[in-house]
Amino acid sequence: DAKTTQPNSMESNEEEPVHLPCNHSTISGTDYIHWYRQLPSQGPEYVIHGLTSNVNNRMASLAIAEDRKSSTLILHRATLRDAAVYYCILQKKSSGDKLTFGTGTRLAVRP
Amino acid sequence: DTAVSQTPKYLVTQMGNDKSIKCEQNLGHDTMYWYKQDSKKFLKIMFSYNNKELIINETVPNRFSPKSPDKAHLNLHINSLELGDSAVYFCASSPRITGGEFFGPGTRLTVL
Repeated sequence: DAKTTQPNSMESNEEEPVHLPCNHSTISGTDYIHWYRQLPSQGPEYVIHGLTSNVNNRMASLAIAEDRKSSTLILHRATLRDAAVYYCILQKKSSGDKLTFGTGTRLAVRP
Repeated sequence: DTAVSQTPKYLVTQMGNDKSIKCEQNLGHDTMYWYKQDSKKFLKIMFSYNNKELIINETVPNRFSPKSPDKAHLNLHINSLELGDSAVYFCASSPRITGGEFFGPGTRLTVL
């Protein structure tokens, strides 16, 4: 299964930007990079995904390294409601396009 | 106007029983999934269906049988429940196989 490496936990102050890193050195050319988050006692929530170019949506931005071996999820202004586990996932065609969740990064937001 | 809904939210049952969890999505998506999240919070895919056809079937015991009566529904039937089946089960859907997935609120299954 596709392997991504994320820090176990991170902390941020409210209203400051947060950069969540992810390494995926085994990425293939057709693999999509997905980010999801899971708030306590809720189902995972889609955040963003991309292939090669940086992506922006109303929730976050995704910055993808030129060699695609790493990516960074950027929350522009963290709020208390952003406290969650953030998962970086490779969607690999060789695995039938399934998402393989890892352990993610637990983000704590300080008021 | 819930996008992906699951019933029941909680399910407590005895070992050996048969139970079903229902999932419905009103997003018009073609692909639906079942995931299992165990007590250590690992989230693992079990099945995926695309337009009512099985696409992914992970190494899941035969006691688990998904059924998709139509594109908007993917139900999960579990026979002869075991203690190790206790987990939170999430249903999800996506507009296409390489799109973002939208998850339901989960069904917490407890087998006694």
